[in-house]
Amino acid sequence: GQQVMQIPQYQHVQEGEDFTTYCNSSTTLSNIQWYKQRPGGHPVFLIQLVKSGEVKKQKRLTFQFGEAKKNSSLHITATQTTDVGTYFCAGQPGGFKTIFGAGTRLFVKA
Amino acid sequence: EAGVAQSPRYKIIEKRQSVAFWCNPISGHATLYWYQQILGQGPKLLIQFQNNGVVDDSQLPKDRFSAERLKGVDSTLKIQPAKLEDSAVYLCASSLGGGVGDTQYFGPGTRLTVL
Repeated sequence: GQQVMQIPQYQHVQEGEDFTTYCNSSTTLSNIQWYKQRPGGHPVFLIQLVKSGEVKKQKRLTFQFGEAKKNSSLHITATQTTDVGTYFCAGQPGGFKTIFGAGTRLFVKA
Repeated sequence: EAGVAQSPRYKIIEKRQSVAFWCNPISGHATLYWYQQILGQGPKLLIQFQNNGVVDDSQLPKDRFSAERLKGVDSTLKIQPAKLEDSAVYLCASSLGGGVGDTQYFGPGTRLTVL
């Protein structure tokens, strides 16, 4: 079936270091969304990418959508303790169904 | 603007018992989703409603799970009988239209523990 794979599963960084999580789909996606889930919380929408090769920035966060619309990445520059949580990508292969990746859990050591 | 409301927040039951969860979406949102999130995994879509019709329920274990959205507003998800592997957080989300690329707003979830 359609899958959205996300790596790495976990990432430990020192505060101030950069962080990247990668998302790969087995099929072409109509769009990809990124969500953040704080420990004990619920997923919160961060951004959506729609166009092939699209790059969007939110302060220290940079999101990219691959040319083939099958992969995406989220890069955080100079992590802070407030960045702690799990980052999920969620893709729509076509139609209305959304498939979430397993998430990358980010730990930041002060 | 009020967010997505869910109740209860926590539930502990024994296997083979039944349980029901309630969700009230953001006012005016046509689409409502129920997800199951097992510890350490991403949310898995169980069922998606648009107004009071089912758009997708391909991953809903229909022999034990049921969901309804009467009048196209709030929704209930029921499990009967529960199994140990049903222990998870059940998340409800809603979106304005439900089309491709719609932003989903999640509720706080119901944490279910099956003993």
